[in-house]
Amino acid sequence: AQSVTQLGSHVSVSEGALVLLRCNYSSSVPPYLFWYVQYPNQGLQLLLKYTSAATLVKGINGFEAEFKKSETSFHLTKPSAHMSDAAEYFCAAASGGQNFVFGPGTRLSVLP
Amino acid sequence: GAVVSQHPSWVICKSGTSVKIECRSLDFQATTMFWYRQFPKQSLMLMATSNEGSKATYEQGVEKDKFLINHASLTLSTLTVTSAHPEDSSFYICSAPGQGSAEQYFGPGTRLTVT
Repeated sequence: AQSVTQLGSHVSVSEGALVLLRCNYSSSVPPYLFWYVQYPNQGLQLLLKYTSAATLVKGINGFEAEFKKSETSFHLTKPSAHMSDAAEYFCAAASGGQNFVFGPGTRLSVLP
Repeated sequence: GAVVSQHPSWVICKSGTSVKIECRSLDFQATTMFWYRQFPKQSLMLMATSNEGSKATYEQGVEKDKFLINHASLTLSTLTVTSAHPEDSSFYICSAPGQGSAEQYFGPGTRLTVT
């Protein structure tokens, strides 16, 4: 069965610093991969998705992620953190686009 | 873009009562919708897959008699939490797959508190 891991349940960065949130998936067949952001008491907002096109995917709010098949990874990065980036981030994988499996989430804190 | 709404956004109910949560696809049709539960500081866990015109498919460990799902039309799925208990307090989120894409569109969630 598909599984998604996110290394680090909590990541803290200073404002203006690089953001790196890690995601690894388990499938031998590269699935579709997604990053979502969730603010308190809100639903999920799609940041970006990988659907077997370009391996470097650019999303909203300056985020991007790179699909690396050899490492089964899909890490999320942003060159310069902003206070408004503080939120919970979820990586998800889907096979056939239907059955989503979510990672445990990483809470990002941005320090002034 | 595709929009999924949920109603209510939050609800407080007493133990033993039932609560209905609606999930609507506003500008597209969805033969399938998904219901997730999210406990505080945890990830989303798939509860069930709602199928228009047929029975829902429940994940292992989810009580189908407690969490009743009805997908009566191509734009509406409902989740009814029957005989609610405090341990049912959670954030419930629905989603619907996009047409011809690998994406899921998520509703804004419903916060249920059972007292």
